[in-house]
Amino acid sequence: SQWGEENLQALSIQEGEDVTMNCSYKTYTTVVHWYRQDSGRGPALIILIRSNEREKRSGRLRATLDTSSQSSSLSITAAQCEDTAVYFCATDALSSNMGYKLTFGTGTSLLVDP
Amino acid sequence: EAAVTQSPRNKVAVTGGKVTLSCNQTNNHNNMYWYRQDTGHGLRLIHYSYGAGSTEKGDIPDGYKASRPSQENFSLILELATPSQTSVYFCASGDWGFGPGTRLTVL
Repeated sequence: SQWGEENLQALSIQEGEDVTMNCSYKTYTTVVHWYRQDSGRGPALIILIRSNEREKRSGRLRATLDTSSQSSSLSITAAQCEDTAVYFCATDALSSNMGYKLTFGTGTSLLVDP
Repeated sequence: EAAVTQSPRNKVAVTGGKVTLSCNQTNNHNNMYWYRQDTGHGLRLIHYSYGAGSTEKGDIPDGYKASRPSQENFSLILELATPSQTSVYFCASGDWGFGPGTRLTVL
């Protein structure tokens, strides 16, 4: 398997709190994508971090990447109710046919209570 | 206007029947992908394509075929549908934009 953890994780926090979600991967990658998925909708890319970046910020989102430990994290500062969603990390790996394919972890279900 | 669209959005099929799921993208991307999503498994890659006329097997291709007749269209075909193929199917195109999904139920 691509991933160290296979089960969908669930987190529940209060509005205004900070939260960090982690993922680890086994296969070499040059990019880690973070997606959010709202109920009944397709995944939406929220932040992307490349292997030459240790940290990437976008608004209240912060992604980190540690290629030596093959792990990435996504932090949300001052979470809001609308941040409630399932969050996935995914790696963008070169396939045997020289094309890129995106491989997903199982995700973290985040619930932000008012 | 959505760049990746899928049809149908919902489908109920009978075991042994043929099912075709369609995906269209308007961004002129070479790469297109089909994933299925099941609870506890995240998204798993079924087939992908590098351009019109090409299809490649993903991580779980068994029981599925794919067709890329044009740059814009990529279909997923279940020749003999089984209940284990009940799932939500997502199409994506080259910039990793996903469609809204198709919920397939095989009875």
